[in-house]
Amino acid sequence: GAVVSQHPSWVICKSGTSVKIECRSLDFQATTMFWYRQFPKQSLMLMATSNEGSKATYEQGVEKDKFLINHASLTLSTLTVTSAHPEDSSFYICSAPAGQMYFGPGTRLTVL
Amino acid sequence: GIQVEQSPPDLILQEGANSTLRCNFSDSVNNLQWFHQNPWGQLINLFYIPSGTKQNGRLSATTVATERYSLLYISSSQTTDSGVYFCAVRVRMRFGAGTRLTVKP
Repeated sequence: GAVVSQHPSWVICKSGTSVKIECRSLDFQATTMFWYRQFPKQSLMLMATSNEGSKATYEQGVEKDKFLINHASLTLSTLTVTSAHPEDSSFYICSAPAGQMYFGPGTRLTVL
Repeated sequence: GIQVEQSPPDLILQEGANSTLRCNFSDSVNNLQWFHQNPWGQLINLFYIPSGTKQNGRLSATTVATERYSLLYISSSQTTDSGVYFCAVRVRMRFGAGTRLTVKP
């Protein structure tokens, strides 16, 4: 099956700093990628759709100025959490479609 | 938006037992997948099954799209089957709350 990677796999940062998470499709191209967030013991919630060559579309309630998404190429989407606060601590997962949806391994963000 | 409900929320089995997990959805879908989330958080693709029946080893799945439900069958369960099972529908995926399966030796 298709492979999606994420980097880093975990990150710890101080409150007020920004963190960038990369999502790559390793063996296929993806004009669209998706970003999800999962809090402990909860399900995955879609945050935004990343579109290559155009602006991302955000789900209701997700702050676009806080979660900056850039789809730089057909194999790379980045999510930047700006001015991170402890409530942004979560597990961030990306996905990309290749027939069916494939998910990256996730990035665990802890904001101190 | 579409609602996705999974049952049961928790399931405890003895190794070797069989189980059935259910996923109900409130509107028509052309995409439905089952995933197993391992202890490290990775979502493992189990089935892409918008309709019909598929089998893969001890696992099988059936989706009856007209009645808006899907079933995941696990036979002869093993301790390594433990974890959370999610169904998700649509391209902008809506996930159910998951079924937390614990298989005891």
